[in-house]
Amino acid sequence: GEEVAQTPKHLVRGEGQKAKLYCAPIKGHSYVFWYQQVLKNEFKFLISFQNENVFDETGMPKERFSAKCLPNSPCSLEIQATKLEDSAVYFCASSQWGGQGRTEAFFGQGTRLTVV
Amino acid sequence: TQLLEQSPQFLSIQEGENLTVYCNSSSVFSSLQWYRQEPGEGPVLLVTVVTGGEVKKLKRLTFQFGDARKDSSLHITAAQPGDTGLYLCAGRWEGGNKLVFGAGTILRVKS
Repeated sequence: GEEVAQTPKHLVRGEGQKAKLYCAPIKGHSYVFWYQQVLKNEFKFLISFQNENVFDETGMPKERFSAKCLPNSPCSLEIQATKLEDSAVYFCASSQWGGQGRTEAFFGQGTRLTVV
Repeated sequence: TQLLEQSPQFLSIQEGENLTVYCNSSSVFSSLQWYRQEPGEGPVLLVTVVTGGEVKKLKRLTFQFGDARKDSSLHITAAQPGDTGLYLCAGRWEGGNKLVFGAGTILRVKS
């Protein structure tokens, strides 16, 4: 597609429940990034993929968070056993290249996760 | 730890005034992007700068990349209420892949 498509737009989960978020990158883009935006507008990097391979996972919490980008499927971010502190807007972005130079990243509309 | 400092955090001005937002780092960027985010939406890319000293204009917005590629500024001339929003700078450091964001500047333009 011509834009990054994220679903669902809103997700409400009880503490301890699982949450799964989806992202379809722009067609032709090889790199996918996940970010978490919390209340103070801070964007925290979580993980990036080059096609289906994890490129950089330095921002991923060691426990409960996992992500995948499988061929011919939307990418996904899954949170097991959600906690109140996981409440945030999760953004996915894609770009043509992940390396140097002009590598614009285009963002989806985000998924607002509320853990109650 | 590489930090990207953005200032000011909040700006409230009258219609017609000028303003500048700054992004600074102690490390060299391979590229830097400016985004604008509206409530409930994702960040929308405004511009990308890659060359030291580069200046780009987008209507009343002027973006500048420092000669040493460690800093950037966004200048808005004659601000309009429609400019209200969250402005974010985001950079990739040399040798890095991920986009690191500044804290954002909330701009409010009053009519």
